[in-house]
Amino acid sequence: DQQVKQNSPSLSVQEGRISILNCDYTNSMFDYFLWYKKYPAEGPTFLISISSIKDKNEDGRFTVFLNKSAKHLSLHIVPSQPGDSAVYFCAASSFSNDYKLSFGAGTTVTVRA
Amino acid sequence: KAGVTQTPRYLIKTRGQQVTLSCSPISGHRSVSWYQQTPGQGLQFLFEYFSETQRNKGNFPGRFSGRQFSNSRSEMNVSTLELGDSALYLCASSRDTVNTEAFFGQGTRLTVV
Repeated sequence: DQQVKQNSPSLSVQEGRISILNCDYTNSMFDYFLWYKKYPAEGPTFLISISSIKDKNEDGRFTVFLNKSAKHLSLHIVPSQPGDSAVYFCAASSFSNDYKLSFGAGTTVTVRA
Repeated sequence: KAGVTQTPRYLIKTRGQQVTLSCSPISGHRSVSWYQQTPGQGLQFLFEYFSETQRNKGNFPGRFSGRQFSNSRSEMNVSTLELGDSALYLCASSRDTVNTEAFFGQGTRLTVV
């Protein structure tokens, strides 16, 4: 049972434009959300997170938006750079489950020069 | 500070064999989680160990087992290997009980033939 879903397996964007990655979840107990970035042959690296008490968190070019009523979060990357080409995983966790991470299937982002 | 180290990086095994993967967490981290990554499935949670005790377990058959040693190093064992076990196995460490940010190793690529 996939509790975290990334319905777009891939995204292609022009360099300098905005990349928007979407993630939906089904478990209303989730209260902490993270985005990880993964390059080939490397492990995922933490990118940005957001607690359920917030609806937006920004870190440089990366902004995560959380819509709890819709059980939806998104990651905005602006401007997109070639080095952003990677697989992005959305993850969610809940205090009630010792913050075990549930991951989405990932979205492969390709930034075109 | 050294990152999470997983050994070996690559492994080829035959159906029916068993395999042991190793993970050394970041120094000071007491929680180690294991994930299986297959194309299109994202990261599937296997189990988590904290202070030598299994604290969380995912929905994998009993052929998948693990343990954690007093120095927080962890091993994962898969017995009676099946072709479907071919995947990237990732280990993640985090500092304490709250797994809000996990640091991943590069993974072990297991191929079962």
